[in-house]
Amino acid sequence: KAGVTQTPRYLIKTRGQQVTLSCSPISGHRSVSWYQQTPGQGLQFLFEYFSETQRNKGNFPGRFSGRQFSNSRSEMNVSTLELGDSALYLCASNPLGATYGYTFGSGTRLTVV
Amino acid sequence: QKEVEQDPGPLSVPEGAIVSLNCTYSNSAFQYFMWYRQYSRKGPELLMYTYSSGNKEDGRFTAQVDKSSKYISLFIRDSQPSDSATYLCAMSGPQGGSEKLVFGKGMKLTVNP
Repeated sequence: KAGVTQTPRYLIKTRGQQVTLSCSPISGHRSVSWYQQTPGQGLQFLFEYFSETQRNKGNFPGRFSGRQFSNSRSEMNVSTLELGDSALYLCASNPLGATYGYTFGSGTRLTVV
Repeated sequence: QKEVEQDPGPLSVPEGAIVSLNCTYSNSAFQYFMWYRQYSRKGPELLMYTYSSGNKEDGRFTAQVDKSSKYISLFIRDSQPSDSATYLCAMSGPQGGSEKLVFGKGMKLTVNP
């Protein structure tokens, strides 16, 4: 079966711009989580959506937002990009939202210049 | 103190060696303990999952959790070059539901032929 698909794979943006990243979960999975991965901080939780509702949010500024659609696809948006937002953004999906059952996508590598 | 601490390595071993990877944590509420493997340019993939204390074995991999010491381990027997990857420990809270995963920073392992 198809895995978690994230688009685009690579992205270069200028400081101050905004960006939208997309995640298509495994068919039938209703929970989608987003993580930011950097060499300095490792993997950090951004937010989790289940059936279009945000259930949990990490400690990131309001510039980071997300949403989930009725087909479980999810997007995250980062406004007013800063150099420190350069990272690998990972999406993970799960059929019921249990934390031990997540399947990760390959991520979107965002570079802010 | 970070919630989850993991020696980032790197660790280099010869093929066939036994590898021991470890994490410590500070949050006594963690109940679910996971090990993920991440290859270059890929997202993390779940290797092992353990609930509460105890051992779990899967082929060449053994996961151990010692909640009294807040210490978890992953052992790899007869290591292979294909095991070369970054290994991340991850933990979550008591419900196994919408709690976020808290990751260690990851240990980069190289198994030399």
